Amino acid sequence: GAGVSQSPRYKVAKRGQDVALRCDPISGHVSLFWYQQALGQGPEFLTYFQNEAQLDKSGLPSDRFFAERPEGSVSTLKIQRTQQEDSAVYLCASSSGTGVEDTEAFFGQGTRLTVV
Amino acid sequence: QKEVEQNSGPLSVPEGAIASLNCTYSDRGSQSFFWYRQYSGKSPELIMSIYSNGDKEDGRFTAQLNKASQYVSLLIRDSQPSDSATYLCAVNQFYFGTGTSLTVIP
Repeated sequence: GAGVSQSPRYKVAKRGQDVALRCDPISGHVSLFWYQQALGQGPEFLTYFQNEAQLDKSGLPSDRFFAERPEGSVSTLKIQRTQQEDSAVYLCASSSGTGVEDTEAFFGQGTRLTVV
Repeated sequence: QKEVEQNSGPLSVPEGAIASLNCTYSDRGSQSFFWYRQYSGKSPELIMSIYSNGDKEDGRFTAQLNKASQYVSLLIRDSQPSDSATYLCAVNQFYFGTGTSLTVIP
C-alpha cells in the first residue's frame, strides 16, 4: 500500500473486554513500531519488530499487552481485560531500515481506543 | 529525568518570522534524531532527520545537532499559518518528547 494503514480507526471497548488493533505497514518495510499516545503527550514506545522478530517489548505497560507480527508484515496489538487507563491513540509506524538508529519511520493514522 | 525534554509552549510567532524549537536528550550515546509535525487529531509526520553534528537544511526547515551539549533544534524560516502544529522531537525511534505547540499568527 501507499502508506501505513491501521484498523479500526476508532474502538470503544467496555472495561474488561479484549481488543485487537491491526497495522498494515508499508510494503517491504522491515521495521515496525507500536506507540501509545495519550492526549497532550508525545508517543510512548511500546514495542519494536524487525521482520517477525520482536526485538524490544520493554515499553509494554503490563502483561495484558501483547503484540505479534507472525509473517513479518501485518502486526496486531492485543490488549486483554482493558482498563480505563488504556484509553489512548495507538500508533503504528514502519521503516525500511533494519536498525533503530538509522531509520526514518512513517506513521499510520492511529487507532483511538476508548474504554468505558 | 525524561529521555527527551521539550518546552511544551505554546510558542507563538508572527507570519514570516523564524520559529525556533528546542530539544534536549539524556542518552549521550544516541545517534539519530528526528523532528515530526503533528496536526491536531492527526498522526505524526516526519519533517527532518539528523545524524551528525551541525546543521541540516531542507527548504524552510533547518535542524541543528550538538551532541556534546545533547541538544537538537529545529528552525522554521518564513513561518506560515499552515506551520501551526505540535512539533515532536524523537531520539532514535524509541523516545519522543511531549511536543511543542506552535502557532503562527497571520
